[in-house]
Amino acid sequence: DAKTTQPNSMESNEEEPVHLPCNHSTISGTDYIHWYRQLPSQGPEYVIHGLTSNVNNRMASLAIAEDRKSSTLILHRATLRDAAVYYCILRDERGSTLGRLYFGRGTQLTVWP
Amino acid sequence: DTAVSQTPKYLVTQMGNDKSIKCEQNLGHDTMYWYKQDSKKFLKIMFSYNNKELIINETVPNRFSPKSPDKAHLNLHINSLELGDSAVYFCASSQEGVAGGSDTQYFGPGTRLTVL
Repeated sequence: DAKTTQPNSMESNEEEPVHLPCNHSTISGTDYIHWYRQLPSQGPEYVIHGLTSNVNNRMASLAIAEDRKSSTLILHRATLRDAAVYYCILRDERGSTLGRLYFGRGTQLTVWP
Repeated sequence: DTAVSQTPKYLVTQMGNDKSIKCEQNLGHDTMYWYKQDSKKFLKIMFSYNNKELIINETVPNRFSPKSPDKAHLNLHINSLELGDSAVYFCASSQEGVAGGSDTQYFGPGTRLTVL
């Protein structure tokens, strides 16, 4: 399973933008970059995913480096509800690993009022 | 109209007992999963079923036996429970289509299992 590296923790103030980095230097051409988050006492929740191009949705934006060896999840205006563990995951669409999500340690985001 | 539901939410039992956790999804997905999150918050996939067939078994002890009576349900039965089985178990589902790498998984709220 391809590896990702994230900072253990980050902090932000409410209503400020947050940039959560992820390094994935061994990414292969068929790996999608997925981000999930886990709020306290809840199951993981899908945030966003991408392959090569930057992506935007109602929750966040995903900026993918040109060489795809790193990506950044951007929360445009952090709220208290965004305090969670954020996981950056590489997902291979090829046969034997189909469906697997390998969660690392993630980044614990703390949002201050 | 919960998408992925699990029962029970909490389960406390003695070592050596047999217990089951149930999972249901109403999203019409064809693939369901069980994940285990240990006390250190490490989340790891255990099983995956696609159209009621086992497709992933991540070296889980054979005391754990998943059962999928239909595409909407994936139950987890655990025999001879051990202290190390204490964890939060999450069920998830997805629609594994042609673009498998881009499909997203929807997780249930979790079942906290405590083995005494």
